[in-house]
Amino acid sequence: DARVTQTPRDKVTEMGQEVTMRCQPILGHNTVFWYRQTMMQGLELLAYFRNRAPLDDSGMPKDRFSAEMPDATLATLKIQPSEPRDSAVYFCASGSDSNIQYFGAGTRLSVL
Amino acid sequence: GDSVTQMEGPVTLSEEAFLTINCTYTATGYPSLFWYVQYPGEGLQLLLKATKADDKGSNKGFEATYRKETTSFHLEKGSVQVSDSAVYFCALSDQIGNQFYFGTGTSLTVIP
Repeated sequence: DARVTQTPRDKVTEMGQEVTMRCQPILGHNTVFWYRQTMMQGLELLAYFRNRAPLDDSGMPKDRFSAEMPDATLATLKIQPSEPRDSAVYFCASGSDSNIQYFGAGTRLSVL
Repeated sequence: GDSVTQMEGPVTLSEEAFLTINCTYTATGYPSLFWYVQYPGEGLQLLLKATKADDKGSNKGFEATYRKETTSFHLEKGSVQVSDSAVYFCALSDQIGNQFYFGTGTSLTVIP
């Protein structure tokens, strides 16, 4: 049963620390999305990649967030330095030409 | 630009009641339309989709019809169950799959 795998599932850190979230997309998928979900803002698209190239990262605060795809099996989202307002659930999703997105279970981030 | 507007929640229904969650969209061209469902503690998962006007997507007793004349894609189910309690998201992707838009989500609680 193919699925998107995100690690860690939960992360608690202190303000100012670097946070790295990882995502393994479904094998063969050529698009990867990063979303942030909060009660106040709902689901926000942060960035997305096609064939490992960033297509849109306009939703991402550039000063502290960065997203990369070192290879086709790994996508990373980094926050440095982290702030309490970054506390949220971060989802990765992957897809192919069908435009359907398959979501991971998310990383719940708490920045104290 | 393209966008999706869905009915505000939360919605509370008794078991076996009829469900409608409204969704309207704004788009140029011929978008694909989706309903995703998010169960507590999980990522979003595709519930159903429609790729062209008058298509009806259906899954697990849920249905939605792509209505170009009213730019709508309302989600319906004839008899809800407690297990349908979740958050439902309407979504749109453009023709070439470069842009994706999610609604704000509608929380549904079904009580026995």
